[in-house]
Amino acid sequence: KNEVEQSPQNLTAQEGEFITINCSYSVGISALHWLQQHPGGGIVSLFMLSSGKKKHGRLIATINIQEKHSSLHITASHPRDSAVYICAVRETSGSRLTFGEGTQLTVNP
Amino acid sequence: DAGVTQSPTHLIKTRGQHVTLRCSPISGHKSVSWYQQVLGQGPQFIFQYYEKEERGRGNFPDRFSARQFPNYSSELNVNALLLGDSALYLCASSLGPGQVYGYTFGSGTRLTVV
Repeated sequence: KNEVEQSPQNLTAQEGEFITINCSYSVGISALHWLQQHPGGGIVSLFMLSSGKKKHGRLIATINIQEKHSSLHITASHPRDSAVYICAVRETSGSRLTFGEGTQLTVNP
Repeated sequence: DAGVTQSPTHLIKTRGQHVTLRCSPISGHKSVSWYQQVLGQGPQFIFQYYEKEERGRGNFPDRFSARQFPNYSSELNVNALLLGDSALYLCASSLGPGQVYGYTFGSGTRLTVV
């Protein structure tokens, strides 16, 4: 079992829909990251969370430390949001990031 | 300010050869981490360096090595390449290795071993 599990693996939505991507982890963490990866490989850091909720534009990230769960929400989705979204955790015992396998999001016009 | 720079962007090598990948962190960032991402999977941690010292190592064979230079740039070396080493190699820089620091990722080097 992976230490970081994401769901769904693939998600197709229509433009304008509200999107939720989930991340569960099984280890103690000091921070959780949501990352966006476009075709070609470049990764952009969207959020770093250790508690509560953060919002940036149409993106919202929440984390529940007790339940070891985080969600990434996209409001009013747009085709340019199409990318792979990756959850990564920083374990309390070390300095490395452990990644989920990513969620491929496709937003159709 | 330039972001994290990786070179080369693409590389094709033959089995058994050696490869060196390079990473320049954001100015002021002293920590560099390397990750391997095989197609269809999430990245896997290879190494972290801070102030020219190794601070962490993932579950990779001794064919993989790295170092960090006084200007905080870093090289990842892979010897005796195998087909399974074909992957996107990502570099991430941060101010330090501690938990409060976020990461900035480079665009990666796509290595193909034939």
